[in-house]
Amino acid sequence: EAGVAQSPRYKIIEKRQSVAFWCNPISGHATLYWYQQILGQGPKLLIQFQNNGVVDDSQLPKDRFSAERLKGVDSTLKIQPAKLEDSAVYLCASSLGVGWRGDQETQYFGPGTRLLVL
Amino acid sequence: SQKIEQNSEALNIQEGKTATLTCNYTNYSPAYLQWYRQDPGRGPVFLLLIRENEKEKRKERLKVTFDTTLKQSLFHITASQPADSATYLCALDPGGGKLIFGQGTELSVKP
Repeated sequence: EAGVAQSPRYKIIEKRQSVAFWCNPISGHATLYWYQQILGQGPKLLIQFQNNGVVDDSQLPKDRFSAERLKGVDSTLKIQPAKLEDSAVYLCASSLGVGWRGDQETQYFGPGTRLLVL
Repeated sequence: SQKIEQNSEALNIQEGKTATLTCNYTNYSPAYLQWYRQDPGRGPVFLLLIRENEKEKRKERLKVTFDTTLKQSLFHITASQPADSATYLCALDPGGGKLIFGQGTELSVKP
């Protein structure tokens, strides 16, 4: 079974530039998550999708971050304009779906995109 | 305020010993708690899930306990090996399927 795919793996940009990350979840997984992980910290949830609808985006800085999941499969996360403090690893994860019980609540993570803002 | 905290300092142990990692939380009532392993440059990988009505769960050399009164989970690796060296993250679900992660504990197992 293929895992969660993310691209690019690394990105270096200057502040005030824009950047986009792409995620392809595990086939059949209804729920998709984007996390931000700053060095030395645990992942912090930015946004959660169920199919193509947003379930939770309470921690997404909406003045500069946006995300979409068209057709309920792939997703993109965009930052515009980027700030120095956005330097982090952006992780995408997927799970079978909200409402499932048991180990289906497990989240499967991609390798992440490491972003450096100069 | 709501918090989830893990051992802040790195844990260094000798091969063959048992590693014990701690996860404490406040102002949450999670239905379950999960433990993940993260290697440098990689995403977290699921290890174990324990529910609020379970005291203990085991998987091979791994054991997790969950005390909802103390609001604490302990994660044990018995007969530790250098390959167990990684950062271990605990995470809880405050509701809705999303996860709140601790900051992680870095484990180093020396041969």
